[in-house]
Amino acid sequence: KAGVTQTPRYLIKTRGQQVTLSCSPISGHRSVSWYQQTPGQGLQFLFEYFSETQRNKGNFPGRFSGRQFSNSRSEMNVSTLELGDSALYLCASSPGPQETQYFGPGTRLLVL
Amino acid sequence: EDKVVQSPLSLVVHEGDTVTLNCSYEVTNFRSLLWYKQEKKAPTFLFMLTSSGIEKKSGRLSSILDKKELFSILNITATQTGDSAIYLCVPNDMRFGAGTRLTVKP
Repeated sequence: KAGVTQTPRYLIKTRGQQVTLSCSPISGHRSVSWYQQTPGQGLQFLFEYFSETQRNKGNFPGRFSGRQFSNSRSEMNVSTLELGDSALYLCASSPGPQETQYFGPGTRLLVL
Repeated sequence: EDKVVQSPLSLVVHEGDTVTLNCSYEVTNFRSLLWYKQEKKAPTFLFMLTSSGIEKKSGRLSSILDKKELFSILNITATQTGDSAIYLCVPNDMRFGAGTRLTVKP
């Protein structure tokens, strides 16, 4: 089985721009979660989707949003980028909610 | 409020040492606790624990859960430099703590 894939792998944006990151879960997995990882804050939960519905949301501003499609693929969007949004964004998939998650390689975002 | 506390935050040992990493949690509707290892990339799954007192083993790594005391430990015996990583314990609500940064020196 192919693992979790994320695109793009690397991204450079400037402040004020918006960005969309994509995640394709492992085949058969219906739950997708997103995390932000920074050196200072560690791994922080953004949101979790299951069957196209957001089940959980972390403590992030409204500039961070996401969605899940009927094929379980998910996208997250960050609008009005700030320097502090520079981070590794990880997507993880699982068969269902609260089951073992398997992480993708991440998208490294740099905001200049 | 749900929370996860791992200790120590950081640990430096030498190859061959045995280490014990601690995780305490407070989670409503607890179902399971997972341990992950994170090196320079995304976390990789180690163990899922659902029942108290049943040790899970994988090579030199083992883990056990105490649901009464809301506590789990991860043991690594005969540590190697490749064990250097951040070890994360995660309850079923998938909120990650800071983890324990383990450094194994030659």
